[in-house]
Formats: sequence, C-alpha cells, structure tokens
Amino acid sequence: ETGVTQTPRHLVMGMTNKKSLKCEQHLGHNAMYWYKQSAKKPLELMFVYSLEERVENNSVPSRFSPECPNSSHLFLHLHTLQPEDSALYLCASSQALDFSYGYTFGSGTRLTVV
Amino acid sequence: KQEVTQIPAALSVPEGENLVLNCSFTDSAIYNLQWFRQDPGKGLTSLLLIQSSQREQTSGRLNASLDKSSGRSTLYIAASQPGDSATYLCAVRMDSSYKLIFGSGTRLLVRP
Repeated sequence: ETGVTQTPRHLVMGMTNKKSLKCEQHLGHNAMYWYKQSAKKPLELMFVYSLEERVENNSVPSRFSPECPNSSHLFLHLHTLQPEDSALYLCASSQALDFSYGYTFGSGTRLTVV
Repeated sequence: KQEVTQIPAALSVPEGENLVLNCSFTDSAIYNLQWFRQDPGKGLTSLLLIQSSQREQTSGRLNASLDKSSGRSTLYIAASQPGDSATYLCAVRMDSSYKLIFGSGTRLLVRP
C-alpha cells in the first residue's frame, strides 16, 4: 500500500447510474489529483485540489463531478457516463502544489460503463 | 506543447541482464521528472524523482539519469529479475504547471 487508498477497486455501472469513487490519504499531503488512464493512452490529469480548493479542471465533462471535503478525502461523482468513459481512474496526492514534490498514487478504480 | 516519448514500447529480456529504458521530452523547461512502475491493472508506484537541477538518482538496482538540455532521461535496471516485469512510466512536471505529463510507458518482461 502506498498510503493512498481508493475504493472500490472495480466498478461496473450502467449509463443511467450514479456512483462515486473515493480516495483517502493519511500522508499529511495537501494536494490531491484525479487522473484517467484509458487503454493505449497516456495518463490524463482530470482535477487538482489544494487544501480542499479546486485549482484545475482539465476540460473534463460535467458528468464527472469532484468533491474534496477535507485534505484527506477526494471523491469523484459519476452520472450518465458513456461507454468510452471506461478506464482506470487513479487518485494521487503530493505534499503540496510546490513543484518540487513527487506524487504518490493509489491503486486505482477500474470502471466499466455498460 | 510538451510531448513525452518512451522507447521501446515493449522489451523482453532474460533474467540477469542489465537494461536501459529511455524517455525523451520535447520541452526542456521541466521542473522535475519521475519514474513510476505499474503492474497490470494496478496503480502507480513511484520509483525515482529527479529534480531539474540533478543529474541522477539511485535506489537499489535502479539508476535514473536526466539530461535536461537534450530532453532525455534513462532508467537503468541492473541484474534484472522476473519480479521487475511491469510497465515503466516516466512523467515530467513543467515549470509552470501542476500537471504531470506522462509517456505511454515501456512494458518490460523479464524471463526466468
């Protein structure tokens, strides 16, 4: 375990469902991120939070809605997804947004939209 | 626009070989570069982080070098083992962004 925990590990949902992905870190980090990894494509940044404030929304469709209630928890709320949204969703954290810090990633949630 | 390329895309070697994975980037204005390992269907494990002012970092059998001016980094794995089989990803962080820009990875298979 890296210190960043994601649940669930696997999720299958229909296009009309609403579900949420959860990420939790107890590393004392102040910045958290959502990344998407699709088959045969490099990882793509989706959202960035620093001290519970969103600092970047990387042109992500509104059917993905992030929430950061505190610096230890990050959620990604999903609704009316499309099959092309099937991917591995990775959460990461870093000590701060300061550029010198490396990232710690979770194990990811494998999402399948049917 | 920064582009990160990793060569080769896949590599198969017998156990015990020393090997080099390559990462190149088009914009040298990076703040740091990080190497990750990803096992199938799993998340990323950080291996080495090199700041732009550094030339190399070492951890156990791994050594990563950075030549910022030429836009290249290499990950050297000594005495490879079957447990090293995974996809290796490099990612750069630009001077002016929080974003990590990833390469597509090198899939490594170490045969017993």
